[in-house]
Amino acid sequence: GAVVSQHPSWVICKSGTSVKIECRSLDFQATTMFWYRQFPKQSLMLMATSNEGSKATYEQGVEKDKFLINHASLTLSTLTVTSAHPEDSSFYICSAWTSGPKSSYEQYFGPGTRLTVT
Amino acid sequence: QKEVEQNSGPLSVPEGAIASLNCTYSDRGSQSFFWYRQYSGKSPELIMSIYSNGDKEDGRFTAQLNKASQYVSLLIRDSQPSDSATYLCAVNQAGTALIFGKGTTLSVSS
Repeated sequence: GAVVSQHPSWVICKSGTSVKIECRSLDFQATTMFWYRQFPKQSLMLMATSNEGSKATYEQGVEKDKFLINHASLTLSTLTVTSAHPEDSSFYICSAWTSGPKSSYEQYFGPGTRLTVT
Repeated sequence: QKEVEQNSGPLSVPEGAIASLNCTYSDRGSQSFFWYRQYSGKSPELIMSIYSNGDKEDGRFTAQLNKASQYVSLLIRDSQPSDSATYLCAVNQAGTALIFGKGTTLSVSS
């Protein structure tokens, strides 16, 4: 149980275009989803926290108009990188967490999406 | 600012030895403590979670938590070459984002 998928697993796009990344919790309902970004040889950095039906909360320094996050259902969150530039090339990883009587403190990570902007 | 500190390594141990990884955190309100293993180009994989002071063992892995010292460690017994990876320490409070350390690179030589 507790499987999180991401799609696509990798994507190459041209500078100036937009890319949408999907994060799905396959066997549970995710109250909260988190989006992280990881540059080469660096650790995961939180970009934003997304609660179902609410606007995402972005970390300082993350442009909310560039990185659009939608959490329309309890099993799906999307991250859209708008007007992508080469410096946006990175490994984007989502994680999901569920609240409730049987919830744990653990978050479940998706397999990540490798974005390359040319 | 909430921070998690780890020695970046690399930590090199021979096959069969014990690898010891350490982590300190700044937020005394942290409730949950995790060790993740990450292979190059892959997403983090949860190895251990620990929530109360003391030791927690799972197979070859033992996590230790000391909240008074704000210290978490991971011991890997009988290290194998397949254990070679980056180990990430992470902490949080329930329902909040994980705060990651920069990771310690472990290399196990055969």
